Amino acid sequence: EIVLTQSPGTLSLSPGERATLSCRASHSVSSSYFGWFQQRPGQAPRLLLYGTSSRAPGTSDRFSGSGSGTDFTLTISRLEPEDFAVYYCHQYGSSPLTFGGGTKVEIK
Amino acid sequence: EVRLVQSGAEVKKPGESLQISCQASGYSFTTYWIGWVRQMPGKGLEWMGTIFTGDSDVRYSPAFQGQVTMSVDRSISTAYLQWSGLKVSDTAMYFCARGEDTALDWGQGTLVIVSA
Repeated sequence: EIVLTQSPGTLSLSPGERATLSCRASHSVSSSYFGWFQQRPGQAPRLLLYGTSSRAPGTSDRFSGSGSGTDFTLTISRLEPEDFAVYYCHQYGSSPLTFGGGTKVEIK
Repeated sequence: EVRLVQSGAEVKKPGESLQISCQASGYSFTTYWIGWVRQMPGKGLEWMGTIFTGDSDVRYSPAFQGQVTMSVDRSISTAYLQWSGLKVSDTAMYFCARGEDTALDWGQGTLVIVSA
């Protein structure tokens, strides 16, 4: 099983600031099968990025993804109020599918 | 519009059985798999398994193998998640999701509370 470790656990930032979230995998992950989800309080997760850097429909271009192998990054260029949420990385190339533990982006 | 509508919240006692549902609409049901995800209170997401709706083949994550049963009824475009003997530790929100590779769309979640 591929274990995904996200850091930091919590990120405290102000609106307008840049957020950088990291995800490290215990084994190499194909960049074609890596993505990110956003979950706001009381809501279901929502797909943000797939294939490492491709935006899902409705995802703002403020969100970008990069990485390869075991290290991946989600960057939010300028935080908007609706971006304060929990973000999960996800690999879907190796069974079982796995999620990272999440990074909470909170208002400073 | 793609919609995944899950059944309502449940409160059960330990040892009881339960089946929750996920009804799909707005797309060809058998073209996409359905996955189930558990989220325990205040915790992260856990992939439980995937059912391939075309042939009902199921791939369970090891942690959930033998603990739950996934099934589909193609005639009504509905997927099910079933327990035969609930535990207090099954208390969680359960989400269904449809996808080809990754989970594209999600249901609203079903809250399951197991308490004596």
